[in-house]
Amino acid sequence: QKEVEQDPGPLSVPEGAIVSLNCTYSNSAFQYFMWYRQYSRKGPELLMYTYSSGNKEDGRFTAQVDKSSKYISLFIRDSQPSDSATYLCAMFNAGNNRKLIWGLGTSLAVNP
Amino acid sequence: SQTIHQWPATLVQPVGSPLSLECTVEGTSNPNLYWYRQAAGRGLQLLFYSVGIGQISSEVPQNLSASRPQDRQFILSSKKLLLSDSGFYLCAWSFPGGAGGQPQHFGDGTRLSIL
Repeated sequence: QKEVEQDPGPLSVPEGAIVSLNCTYSNSAFQYFMWYRQYSRKGPELLMYTYSSGNKEDGRFTAQVDKSSKYISLFIRDSQPSDSATYLCAMFNAGNNRKLIWGLGTSLAVNP
Repeated sequence: SQTIHQWPATLVQPVGSPLSLECTVEGTSNPNLYWYRQAAGRGLQLLFYSVGIGQISSEVPQNLSASRPQDRQFILSSKKLLLSDSGFYLCAWSFPGGAGGQPQHFGDGTRLSIL
C-alpha cells in the first residue's frame, strides 16, 4: 500500500463548478499537509499549507484535513478554465520534515 | 521575496555524455535545497537534499550526483548519462527546518531527453 493515495483522474468539470480533490494516507504521524498546482511543463506551485486537522480557506480554495480518517481534501469554488492543471497533495511529519511524501496528482480540466 | 532559478528549461543529450543542471535561490539565506525527478505516472521522486554548503544527502542510488558549492547554489551532475536518466528534473527550496515543518517551493524544471 502506498503511503499516499490520490486518484489520477482525469477530472473534467464545467466552468463555475465546485471541484473536490482528495488524498488518503496511511501514516498517522503526518502532521503537515500541502496542496500544489502544476501546469504543464512547469514546476509545482504551493497552493495551501495546513497543520493538523481542520479547514483553511484562501479565496476560492479550501483545504480540509481529517486526521481521524486520514483524509485530506481541496475544494475549488467557482472553478475557472485557468484552474486546469494537475493537483498534487504532499505531507510529512515533524520528525522527518525534509522528506515530503507525494500523491501522484489529479489532472483537472475546467471547460468553458 | 524569494525566487528560484533553474536552467536550462530543455536539454537533449546523447547517451554517455556528462550533465550539469544548475539551480540558484535568491532572497533567503541557508535554505534547504532539493533535487527531484518527476516521471509520468510515478510522481515526484526525491533525489538529493542539502541543508548547507557541502552537505548532501542522497535518497536513492543512481547515476547522478549533487553538489552545493555556495549557500544558494545547487548543482545536479552526471559523468555519463543513461537512457533511464530522461525525465523532468525539479529543484526546490525551503526555509531551514526546526520544530515546525516548512513547505517546499519549486523552480520551473528542466526537461531532459537522452538520445
